[in-house]
Amino acid sequence: DAGVTQSPTHLIKTRGQQVTLRCSPKSGHDTVSWYQQALGQGPQFIFQYYEEEERQRGNFPDRFSGHQYPNYSSELNVNALLLGDSALYLCASSLRGKETQYFGPGTRLLVL
Amino acid sequence: EDQVTQSPEALRLQEGESSSLNCSYTVSGLRGLFWYRQDPGKGPEFLFTLYSAGEEKEKERLKATLTKKESFLHITAPKPEDSATYLCAVQAWMDSSYKLIFGSGTRLLVRP
Repeated sequence: DAGVTQSPTHLIKTRGQQVTLRCSPKSGHDTVSWYQQALGQGPQFIFQYYEEEERQRGNFPDRFSGHQYPNYSSELNVNALLLGDSALYLCASSLRGKETQYFGPGTRLLVL
Repeated sequence: EDQVTQSPEALRLQEGESSSLNCSYTVSGLRGLFWYRQDPGKGPEFLFTLYSAGEEKEKERLKATLTKKESFLHITAPKPEDSATYLCAVQAWMDSSYKLIFGSGTRLLVRP
């Protein structure tokens, strides 16, 4: 049974560029949440998708946007990258109505 | 303000030396408290979910407990492979929905 998968594993971008990160949820899960984790900090909630719509959003600017596809996979898009966007981006999946979230391995983004 | 505080920030133990990690929280409408383990450069791995004061859960050398204001993760006779960052998170009612709020984690190093 495949767990949560994310791609790519690592990414290097320059300031002002745009990036797209991808996530496939654990089999049987229908809800995807995205988190940003800076070095030495706990994950910070970005947003959550269910039934192809953004259902919840954390304290992140509109430069961060997302999408969920009918097969429940999801994308995180970040526009106009800033140096401060350098972090580990984590995707977590869950089953609607169940609280436990399972995390993928993350995408390490470096903005130069 | 809803927040989660973990202590200590870092902990060094000798193999076999038992100890406890603390997670204190100030949130409204707690729905659940979660413990995760995170190895360097990887995504968090789910350990436990606790829902009500007095609840306890065990897994191998780990035991999690919950009170109305804090949770403890007890590590009995730890081994070097238990070295990791342990993250605590609470699911709290915020902005008309439940959100997962993480602490900054406790970095545990177990020496042989």
